[in-house]
Amino acid sequence: SQQGEEDPQALSIQEGENATMNCSYKTSINNLQWYRQNSGRGLVHLILIRSNEREKHSGRLRVTLDTSKKSSSLLITASRAADTASYFCATDVSFTQGAQKLVFGQGTRLTINP
Amino acid sequence: NAGVTQTPKFQVLKTGQSMTLQCAQDMNHEYMSWYRQDPGMGLRLIHYSVGAGITDQGEVPNGYNVSRSTTEDFPLRLLSAAPSQTSVYFCASSRSRDSETQYFGPGTRLLVL
Repeated sequence: SQQGEEDPQALSIQEGENATMNCSYKTSINNLQWYRQNSGRGLVHLILIRSNEREKHSGRLRVTLDTSKKSSSLLITASRAADTASYFCATDVSFTQGAQKLVFGQGTRLTINP
Repeated sequence: NAGVTQTPKFQVLKTGQSMTLQCAQDMNHEYMSWYRQDPGMGLRLIHYSVGAGITDQGEVPNGYNVSRSTTEDFPLRLLSAAPSQTSVYFCASSRSRDSETQYFGPGTRLLVL
């Protein structure tokens, strides 16, 4: 099963509204990241929050992390049509030879309607 | 900087054919990795490299080979393509093995008939 799971799988809102996406994970982490993927493109890093942080802001993005519940949320305020994309959370897990690797969830597909 | 580049953008193969997906980065990043993205599956790690000359397997390595002869390049080889390898492949790089921000290429869409 996936380390990170996003909820909802799809979200459709009107331009100007706020969009909230959630991510749950299973094992302890060092950090959690959010990425955006526009249709047919690669992933773009949005924000990283460390395990000792509870909230982080970047422009219209607000990320929270609750390590006791093993969950994170991404809030996009005052949404714009250009925010239409899929959003993925990624958590780091220990892998072979001491390397860390990112495990991605299945993503939330966000549609902003004009 | 061009960032992470991938070629080709799209490829059609017949079952049993072999090919190499190219990936290059110009950021002098140590860590590079290959993912495949399938509908409803998120991204899954195929192989990764923590530096030139060092590679290791990810979650789904079967059917794929990699090499890292230079810091810049990390090609992914399909030895004998199968329809199950139809997917979108992404190459990514980051500054070090302690994976924080990863930079992704634009992807290669592969169709195996």
